[in-house]
Amino acid sequence: SQQGEEDPQALSIQEGENATMNCSYKTSINNLQWYRQNSGRGLVHLILIRSNEREKHSGRLRVTLDTSKKSSSLLITASRAADTASYFCATHYGNNRLAFGKGNQVVVIP
Amino acid sequence: GAGVSQSPRYKVAKRGQDVALRCDPISGHVSLFWYQQALGQGPEFLTYFQNEAQLDKSGLPSDRFFAERPEGSVSTLKIQRTQQEDSAVYLCASSSQGLAGGWVREDTQYFGPGTRLTVL
Repeated sequence: SQQGEEDPQALSIQEGENATMNCSYKTSINNLQWYRQNSGRGLVHLILIRSNEREKHSGRLRVTLDTSKKSSSLLITASRAADTASYFCATHYGNNRLAFGKGNQVVVIP
Repeated sequence: GAGVSQSPRYKVAKRGQDVALRCDPISGHVSLFWYQQALGQGPEFLTYFQNEAQLDKSGLPSDRFFAERPEGSVSTLKIQRTQQEDSAVYLCASSSQGLAGGWVREDTQYFGPGTRLTVL
């Protein structure tokens, strides 16, 4: 099965700094998605990047995709305290179900 | 508009009890998914509905788990004779698309807040 797997990181950064996290997957994909999860808002879809795209931006988020290495990265620029959360990458497989990685815990210190 | 809602938000059950978890998807969404998320892990797929049809239940961990969506909207996940290893957050997600022309449409899934189940 396809499985997104983040580098097992727990990032602790100062507000205003950038945060980068990585994800790898095992099989070919049509797209890869990033989700954020915190206690306040549950699991929220952030951004989707298709397999024919190499980079995508959404606000302070920048996602890259390298299909030759089967990896993706998520960059959050100018981090804010509200960015404190767990971040998951996910890929589709089977009947549209998502396979999630273990997640990266990011703590932004005000 | 209203998102996916789940109830109850928290459930404590004694081992051996049956529980029922409810999901109200976004109105009009064809596809509905259940995921199980253990502490410190990512969500794992349990089952998938397209309208009222349960098309995939391969992720259900045992025959104690049962899900239904009889009218193609609200869904219930039932766990019989709960065990301590069932303790987890149960997430429901819906998406607007379903199978089309035999091809699965990969579509954004919108998640509910989850039900945190604790089995004592």
